[in-house]
Amino acid sequence: AQKVTQAQTEISVVEKEDVTLDCVYETRDTTYYLFWYKQPPSGELVFLIRRNSFDEQNEISGRYSWNFQKSTSSFNFTITASQVVDSAVYFCALRARNTGGFKTIFGAGTRLFVKA
Amino acid sequence: EPEVTQTPSHQVTQMGQEVILRCVPISNHLYFYWYRQILGQKVEFLVSFYNNEISEKSEIFDDQFSVERPDGSNFTLKIRSTKLEDSAMYFCASSELGTGDYEQYFGPGTRLTVT
Repeated sequence: AQKVTQAQTEISVVEKEDVTLDCVYETRDTTYYLFWYKQPPSGELVFLIRRNSFDEQNEISGRYSWNFQKSTSSFNFTITASQVVDSAVYFCALRARNTGGFKTIFGAGTRLFVKA
Repeated sequence: EPEVTQTPSHQVTQMGQEVILRCVPISNHLYFYWYRQILGQKVEFLVSFYNNEISEKSEIFDDQFSVERPDGSNFTLKIRSTKLEDSAMYFCASSELGTGDYEQYFGPGTRLTVT
């Protein structure tokens, strides 16, 4: 079975603080893909990153960075020097190549509030 | 950059009415999907569609739902007799191929309100 757990329901930080959003996943597949999406108040899903299971290299994109650790089945997302515009719901998601079929499995999301 | 479009952006309907949500996937994509997000909850997979047939569906996708590609560009989700609990944001997505290494591009969503 595929599962994505985002244990943090809501996080509130003050602008310029760093914040890490946790994501833990479960899959029996050896080939899988992990994603992060941002959902601003307007409701659309904004793609942030995709990672495949064979690439454990961490990635940095501007103020965003991702830490993928297969040993703990985690794919955490850090925003450095947070800004008010980062306020949104963030979803971690999983697609498994063989056992997951065609669907993307989403976590419950973490709502991030960044206060000025 | 090509994108998935959805119409309408917001639909209000009365319980028991039929609704059709429309999507135009990216033109060279072969796989199409519908997802649902009840307000404040996670995004849930409904159905995937390839080569004019359903390739996978979730337990949510019961007989009240159907999907169709009526022409070469549109992909529709029909709900035959809407219930209050069908109120949600519906996202269409498309991908070049169906395996996980192909990105699923999401549309902006249609917010369905059933009264």
